[in-house]
Amino acid sequence: DTEVTQTPKHLVMGMTNKKSLKCEQHMGHRAMYWYKQKAKKPPELMFVYSYEKLSINESVPSRFSPECPNSSLLNLHLHALQPEDSALYLCASSTGTGVVQETQYFGPGTRLLVL
Amino acid sequence: AQSVTQLDSQVPVFEEAPVELRCNYSSSVSVYLFWYVQYPNQGLQLLLKYLSGSTLVKGINGFEAEFNKSQTSFHLRKPSVHISDTAEYFCAVMRGSNYKLTFGKGTLLTVNP
Repeated sequence: DTEVTQTPKHLVMGMTNKKSLKCEQHMGHRAMYWYKQKAKKPPELMFVYSYEKLSINESVPSRFSPECPNSSLLNLHLHALQPEDSALYLCASSTGTGVVQETQYFGPGTRLLVL
Repeated sequence: AQSVTQLDSQVPVFEEAPVELRCNYSSSVSVYLFWYVQYPNQGLQLLLKYLSGSTLVKGINGFEAEFNKSQTSFHLRKPSVHISDTAEYFCAVMRGSNYKLTFGKGTLLTVNP
């Protein structure tokens, strides 16, 4: 099973709302990622968790708050977003062992619209 | 800094024709290269990867790629495309001991009947 699931598939929120995106994998992977993808652009890395600890933060604004409650779950909490934050948010996971065979498997994404 | 260049932003082809999507990378150290495909309104799916060993890599859906160190290229090929291959294709490179994937800008492959 090489599946990464993400919920919800679509999300519309106002600039004052608080919402959360959820990502789940049951492949025993210990590294999980959040990416942001604007239309017709490549994915951009936001955060990396390794063994449930935040290891990379690509200078993401604090209105995005990641959380990794256990080895299978990754959340992205959203608060006071701006319209320019509208994008496809992709979650990925990999084994997390740090060896060269590290391959990232992506979920289907959550399409976010901020009004 | 490591980067990936996909030379063509769009590639239109007819069904059953061969296709090559070009990818060049710049790095002074060992690289690990990936091709991902993104169908409309979907996430990314791994097509193939080069980590070491044979320079000709075979992937899913009949795609293959050749790692060419002297030309710093990792071009993706398919001998005969189908309408269902219409998608965005991303080349990506990873540093050896890091979790960071750097993506190219993508190539939109459009297969016409």
